[in-house]
Amino acid sequence: QKEVEQNSGPLSVPEGAIASLNCTYSDRVSQSFFWYRQYSGKSPELIMSIYSNGDKEDGRFTAQLNKASQYVSLLIRDSQPSDSATYLCAVMESGNNRLAFGKGNQVVVIP
Amino acid sequence: GAGVSQTPSNKVTEKGKYVELRCDPISGHTALYWYRQSLGQGPEFLIYFQGTGAADDSGLPNDRFFAVRPEGSVSTLKIQRTERGDSAVYLCASSPSGPPGPQFFGPGTRLTVL
Repeated sequence: QKEVEQNSGPLSVPEGAIASLNCTYSDRVSQSFFWYRQYSGKSPELIMSIYSNGDKEDGRFTAQLNKASQYVSLLIRDSQPSDSATYLCAVMESGNNRLAFGKGNQVVVIP
Repeated sequence: GAGVSQTPSNKVTEKGKYVELRCDPISGHTALYWYRQSLGQGPEFLIYFQGTGAADDSGLPNDRFFAVRPEGSVSTLKIQRTERGDSAVYLCASSPSGPPGPQFFGPGTRLTVL
């Protein structure tokens, strides 16, 4: 079983709408969770980190963590064309030194 | 401030050759990581340094891969007898203190083995 799953296909949203991305993970004792944005041909850029259950907001981004259900989500409010990118979910397991990444979800914001 | 830097940005080599990829982390960051990313996939962990020592090298695929960080700052990833399957983007990341904190990625080195 893959450690981090991002199952949704490309997501197209109209400009100004909310983009919602989900990620599930397999290790119950994972303690750190991150969302990275990756533009085509570029490297991952950290946009959100979350460590405890609940919501964390930063500008137009909200990360939501539910450890009991083993999922973490990312909401992008008021989506802009510049948000068009691949969003990578990353999880660091307790006692582990590595980030385990999902395959990513491509978001396309349509003007 | 300056972010993580990596050189070269692109490297084309022939099968069987030796390559070195360099990473200069964010100043003051004690933790340094190497990942590699293939098209359509998320980055895959290779090795983690805390200071000068390799704290976790369990992600290195085989003994052709080796990495050093002799002075606790710049790191070099070395690949011997390159194979076509080694072609990927090699990413370096640094972190102020290591797990479980966030990691900040450099621009990557695109390695192509012909």
